Amino acid sequence: NAGVTQTPKFQVLKTGQSMTLQCAQDMNHNSMYWYRQDPGMGLRLIYYSASEGTTDKGEVPNGYNVSRLNKREFSLRLESAAPSQTSVYFCASSVLEDTGELFFGEGSRLTVL
Amino acid sequence: KNQVEQSPQSLIILEGKNCTLQCNYTVSPFSNLRWYKQDTGRGPVSLTIMTFSENTKSNGRYTATLDADTKQSSLHITASQLSDSASYICVVRPSGGSYIPTFGRGTSLIVHP
Repeated sequence: NAGVTQTPKFQVLKTGQSMTLQCAQDMNHNSMYWYRQDPGMGLRLIYYSASEGTTDKGEVPNGYNVSRLNKREFSLRLESAAPSQTSVYFCASSVLEDTGELFFGEGSRLTVL
Repeated sequence: KNQVEQSPQSLIILEGKNCTLQCNYTVSPFSNLRWYKQDTGRGPVSLTIMTFSENTKSNGRYTATLDADTKQSSLHITASQLSDSASYICVVRPSGGSYIPTFGRGTSLIVHP
């Protein structure tokens, strides 16, 4: 049982380049989330998808786009990367109607030069 | 605005000693409060969950308490081990509409031999 799988684990980009972070979960969860974690700031919500076919902005959505491809997959895209987007990105999933326990992936460390 | 404040920001203790981490929140009404443990380089994992009516919940050497009147929670770690070195994050899930949880910034615990 893989849980939540994120790819890639590490990525280095130059300013202005684009990339997509992939996330897949095999727990049949309906809700999925993207967070970023910066030193001293804790986890901040970028976008979330309550169910397949819906997406909503979180606390820090600027500079990002998301796609809920199907129930299993939720991708995060940086169209024109900026140094301020250097961070560790975590994907998570949960069952919305349950207690809301979030199951996290291992994280994707992104550096923008 | 919903807030979750944790203290201390960081803590260093010797192996075998006890410690207590604090969490104050303004989320109201709330559905549940969780403590997550995040090992270095990994995603957070749920340790305990408490609902409004619960005062104490244990998970091995971890004991969480909740005072819903003062909106405070604590996580007590007994007989600390080197493997307890991690970040501990308090997360409060609201009820009655938005289900998006509010995260604290975490307490970084280092256990020295």
